[in-house]
Amino acid sequence: KAGVTQTPRYLIKTRGQQVTLSCSPISGHRSVSWYQQTPGQGLQFLFEYFSETQRNKGNFPGRFSGRQFSNSRSEMNVSTLELGDSALYLCASSALGAGVLTDTQYFGPGTRLTVL
Amino acid sequence: AQTVTQSQPEMSVQEAETVTLSCTYDTSESDYYLFWYKQPPSRQMILVIRQEAYKQQNATENRFSVNFQKAAKSFSLKISDSQLGDAAMYFCAYRSGDYGGATNKLIFGTGTLLAVQP
Repeated sequence: KAGVTQTPRYLIKTRGQQVTLSCSPISGHRSVSWYQQTPGQGLQFLFEYFSETQRNKGNFPGRFSGRQFSNSRSEMNVSTLELGDSALYLCASSALGAGVLTDTQYFGPGTRLTVL
Repeated sequence: AQTVTQSQPEMSVQEAETVTLSCTYDTSESDYYLFWYKQPPSRQMILVIRQEAYKQQNATENRFSVNFQKAAKSFSLKISDSQLGDAAMYFCAYRSGDYGGATNKLIFGTGTLLAVQP
């Protein structure tokens, strides 16, 4: 099985721009979560999607949004970029299903976003 | 709110020796899961080991084992026969249990950078 893939791997943007990151989960996985990783704040949960619905959201401003498609692929969008948004954005997928105990999360390689 | 604390920012171990990484957590929940993830330099995060809170037996995965002390809210990782490939950042993580609706939200500690000396 192919692992979690994230595109693009690297991205450079300037302040005020907006960006969209993509995540393709492992085949059969229906749950996708996003995390932001920075040296200062560590790993912080952004949001989680299951069956195209946002199930949980972290403490981030409304500039951060996401969505999930019917094929479980997910995108996250950051509008009006700030210097502090520079980070590694990680996506994780799992086989969570209704009535099934939550399963292990598998992480993608991440997208390194640099805001200038 | 749940929190995870890793008090050792950096650790070093000689190849073939044993090292223990510490993790403590705070929660009022009775059902939860604990994990250790490994993030090698410039490589993706992978799961090392998981522990269900309702299980008293400590989890083991080959050279990796945990010491889970539920009452003390402690969850340490022991790496035996350390290898050069074990060098990485290790994160301890917490996830709420499945009662009342499951969630995949992981709460991470700040990480411990492990160096393995040849």
